Amino acid sequence: AQSVSQHNHHVILSEAASLELGCNYSYGGTVNLFWYVQYPGQHLQLLLKYFSGDPLVKGIKGFEAEFIKSKFSFNLRKPSVQWSDTAEYFCAVKMGNAGNMLTFGGGTRLMVKP
Amino acid sequence: NAGVMQNPRHLVRRRGQEARLRCSPMKGHSHVYWYRQLPEEGLKFMVYLQKENIIDESGMPKERFSAEFPKEGPSILRIQQVVRGDSAAYFCASSSPSGANVLTFGAGSRLTVL
Repeated sequence: AQSVSQHNHHVILSEAASLELGCNYSYGGTVNLFWYVQYPGQHLQLLLKYFSGDPLVKGIKGFEAEFIKSKFSFNLRKPSVQWSDTAEYFCAVKMGNAGNMLTFGGGTRLMVKP
Repeated sequence: NAGVMQNPRHLVRRRGQEARLRCSPMKGHSHVYWYRQLPEEGLKFMVYLQKENIIDESGMPKERFSAEFPKEGPSILRIQQVVRGDSAAYFCASSSPSGANVLTFGAGSRLTVL
């Protein structure tokens, strides 16, 4: 079955630490890839997206993600996290011709300690 | 330019009652998607609608759940005879016809079934 996996459910970091959140998907065809962030009490916001071209994508707030096709992965990174990055992060994938339907991972809850 | 508007933000129902959740898409968007987020889980696709048409309802439970997006007015997700397991956050997203596969999410409606 087509699925999206985020292996880290909870991550706790200190400010200035580096962040990498894993995202893997199971689908052999063309994909569009997304990372969304949900700050406490707020709606989902788009952090970044990949459709084609350079597999290293830069998003808002210093986040970036790298699409590695051979590994079916789209990991999210940030060199130095801030307390304000405390949020839940969701990887989402559009697989093939799925309209605009996205399949979401289970989310990773990040807590950044000041 | 208002984003995706959902109401109510919080809804409490007793078992057996009906719940109606409303979603007004962003201006210029004619595609609406409903997702459900159960506690400690990621978002699960429920239904994809365009004006007056259900495009994909593969994620909708077979009974008690229905959705519509009339020619005029908001999209409505209706849950009849609610049960405790329906307690969740229900998110609506919208996109434009050209889409670029980017969904804009609302703040969600949190349903609690007593």
